[in-house]
Amino acid sequence: AQSVTQPDIHITVSEGASLELRCNYSYGATPYLFWYVQSPGQGLQLLLKYFSGDTLVQGIKGFEAEFKRSQSSFNLRKPSVHWSDAAEYFCAVGPYSGGGADGLTFGKGTHLIIQP
Amino acid sequence: DVKVTQSSRYLVKRTGEKVFLECVQDMDHENMFWYRQDPGLGLRLIYFSYDVKMKEKGDIPEGYSVSREKKERFSLILESASTNQTSMYLCASSSKGDSYSNQPQHFGDGTRLSIL
Repeated sequence: AQSVTQPDIHITVSEGASLELRCNYSYGATPYLFWYVQSPGQGLQLLLKYFSGDTLVQGIKGFEAEFKRSQSSFNLRKPSVHWSDAAEYFCAVGPYSGGGADGLTFGKGTHLIIQP
Repeated sequence: DVKVTQSSRYLVKRTGEKVFLECVQDMDHENMFWYRQDPGLGLRLIYFSYDVKMKEKGDIPEGYSVSREKKERFSLILESASTNQTSMYLCASSSKGDSYSNQPQHFGDGTRLSIL
């Protein structure tokens, strides 16, 4: 069965500093990978996705993520965080094309705190 | 932009009641999903549907059922609500794409349900 691990429950970063949120997945084939962000009281908003091709993907709000097959990782990065980036971040994996109709498998989330 | 609308942001019900959570999407998406979100557990898939009148069990279907009579509407039903069903419920939709779930899911803002 597929699974997603986000090893950091909480991360605190100073405003203006760089950010990296870790995500490791377990999946038997080439996965579809996603990062979502959830602000307090809101639903999830898609930041970026990886389906195939270039392993470095760009998303909204200045985020990027790199797919590393050898490490089964899909870490999210941002060079300089803003106070408005404080939120919950979720990594998710979906089945390979043709794998059937399934929902996404989500990690448990990383809560990002921004220090002034 | 895709709009996924959940009928209630907050809902309070009593143990044993039959509870309906409604979700409507405006993008003619084939796939619709219901998740519940609990602290420390992330999002877990309850049910999903890839076509009208079709439904599939997710990871935690016990105590729930769903209905999809129209393409744009997907209802989650708690047959006899219990206190352990107190949670945040998130609805999502996606287009079919090349396979059933390789397209990003778009989420509603969630319904926070309390069962007393």
